[in-house]
Amino acid sequence: AQTVTQSQPEMSVQEAETVTLSCTYDTSESDYYLFWYKQPPSRQMILVIRQEAYKQQNATENRFSVNFQKAAKSFSLKISDSQLGDAAMYFCAYNIGATNKLIFGTGTLLAVQP
Amino acid sequence: ETGVTQSPTHLIKTRGQQVTLRCSSQSGHNTVSWYQQALGQGPQFIFQYYREEENGRGNFPPRFSGLQFPNYSSELNVNALELDDSALYLCASSPASGGTSKNIQYFGAGTRLSVL
Repeated sequence: AQTVTQSQPEMSVQEAETVTLSCTYDTSESDYYLFWYKQPPSRQMILVIRQEAYKQQNATENRFSVNFQKAAKSFSLKISDSQLGDAAMYFCAYNIGATNKLIFGTGTLLAVQP
Repeated sequence: ETGVTQSPTHLIKTRGQQVTLRCSSQSGHNTVSWYQQALGQGPQFIFQYYREEENGRGNFPPRFSGLQFPNYSSELNVNALELDDSALYLCASSPASGGTSKNIQYFGAGTRLSVL
């Protein structure tokens, strides 16, 4: 079965601190991409970071980085120096290279405390 | 802003009615996907269109149908609306294969459909 599990329905972090959001997935494919999307109250899904499964090096985008453990099928997101604007629902997702169909988790609601 | 626009933003319909949702893809994108996001859930894949042809479908009944036009804009049609169809419907476009944006989907802000 193709599934994505986000075991933390809600998380909270102090402004300027670091937080890690967890994600595990299940696929038998070897060629796939992993994503973290952010969905603020405006509803628009915004791409935070992307990881290609064949690359061992963890992706980074400014304050956002991932810990990709392919054997464990784990893909966590680390947000450093958290800002108030980071407050949103975060979705982990993956797609299989050929179809580009995204499989999403149920999301983690991140609150940032001033 | 992703350049993907959806209309309308909100819609209220009655059970049994039909609805059409519209999506304008980002310039240069020839693939569009539609997702249904129920309250408190992650988006679920409905179907995808590539160059005006359906290119994959999720676990949704045939009363969910779509179109993609030569300018790559798209429609999602839902017939015989049911109460459980109440959700946020998201459209996402992606570019032609290759390049650094490969496999990235760019989302619109969605249409909130309420079925009474």
